[in-house]
Amino acid sequence: NAGVTQTPKFRVLKTGQSMTLLCAQDMNHEYMYWYRQDPGMGLRLIHYSVGEGTTAKGEVPDGYNVSRLKKQNFLLGLESAAPSQTSVYFCASSYPLRGQETQYFGPGTRLLVL
Amino acid sequence: AQKVTQAQTEISVVEKEDVTLDCVYETRDTTYYLFWYKQPPSGELVFLIRRNSFDEQNEISGRYSWNFQKSTSSFNFTITASQVVDSAVYFCALRDNFGNEKLTFGTGTRLTIIP
Repeated sequence: NAGVTQTPKFRVLKTGQSMTLLCAQDMNHEYMYWYRQDPGMGLRLIHYSVGEGTTAKGEVPDGYNVSRLKKQNFLLGLESAAPSQTSVYFCASSYPLRGQETQYFGPGTRLLVL
Repeated sequence: AQKVTQAQTEISVVEKEDVTLDCVYETRDTTYYLFWYKQPPSGELVFLIRRNSFDEQNEISGRYSWNFQKSTSSFNFTITASQVVDSAVYFCALRDNFGNEKLTFGTGTRLTIIP
């Protein structure tokens, strides 16, 4: 099992450009999440999904969109990148059963917006 | 609203010393879950432990131990006989029992083990 994988690992964008971050998991997890990590602020939830075809906003959703067309994939889109979106992005997944609440994280994507 | 406070921003100890990382949480839920994650210099987030609110038994795993006290809303993490490989940022996180099961993270404690 690869667990949670993220593509790409690193990306540089110019202000106004768009891009999509891909998250894939092979653990058959129902729930998937996108977080961003900024210095001194811990991780903050951007969007999440509780199942295929469903998405919802988290704590800091502005400027991002997501899609969950397949259970194993969760895409995070930036339509018009801004320097404030320079961050490290983490995807996570979990299974919604008692005793299996742990979220498992991908390796992260480092994004620099110039 | 949920909140996790890790008041120690950075800690440095000499190798083989014991070190305790503090975590204080706030929640209105009676059922919740607490987690510790390790983020080594390579950047990934490694799951260390999960604790349910209805289980206050402390846990030991090798050199790691966790002290959960509901009375003080704390979930502290102790590393015994620290090693250089323990150098990392450690995050405490809280998850409630409803809805999206979002994790609320503390701001992390950067631990440096000096050889």
